[in-house]
Amino acid sequence: DTAVSQTPKYLVTQMGNDKSIKCEQNLGHDTMYWYKQDSKKFLKIMFSYNNKELIINETVPNRFSPKSPDKAHLNLHINSLELGDSAVYFCASSPYEGQGRYGYTFGSGTRLTVV
Amino acid sequence: GQQLNQSPQSMFIQEGEDVSMNCTSSSIFNTWLWYKQDPGEGPVLLIALYKAGELTSNGRLTAQFGITRKDSFLNISASIPSDVGIYFCAGQYAGKSTFGDGTTLTVKP
Repeated sequence: DTAVSQTPKYLVTQMGNDKSIKCEQNLGHDTMYWYKQDSKKFLKIMFSYNNKELIINETVPNRFSPKSPDKAHLNLHINSLELGDSAVYFCASSPYEGQGRYGYTFGSGTRLTVV
Repeated sequence: GQQLNQSPQSMFIQEGEDVSMNCTSSSIFNTWLWYKQDPGEGPVLLIALYKAGELTSNGRLTAQFGITRKDSFLNISASIPSDVGIYFCAGQYAGKSTFGDGTTLTVKP
């Protein structure tokens, strides 16, 4: 019973392509996030949604578009992929906005490689 | 924006040794959290701290929330090989979370 599941685990694609990463949580949490982890392992927030509403939209190229059809799902679509987009993308969720008492529950990541 | 400086960046220790790492910031936080990331996985919450001065343990792990609210440390006692991974601190203030840049721990058997 995976709490936060992301698909695919690995994604290799050519520059210029469009791709999507899906995320689902079965914890009943209200808030979901996308983080990017670069080659130096730094975790950077990209987006967060609270009950399907966008609440954080960090400085991210507009080629990245999140979509939350319901509070259990947060997908990430990336247009016109560039070499610099290569990274590990993590989905996470929390009971409410912020880490608070329970922290985030992270998925196992999607390793995106753009060639 | 808020920044967290985590040190050391990496540690190579012998099995059985104790480990200490810390996180400092120029800004105050209301909550400090420590996560561990195993290779190929997402970070997993180890300990959360909610009050300045709070000292909390979770098995061989002990973490403290600094009195100034600008720092936190994590100790691991009697390290074992499965302690290897990247340890992240995270601070939260006014609904905004910031992660440190991680301490990579290697344990030699």
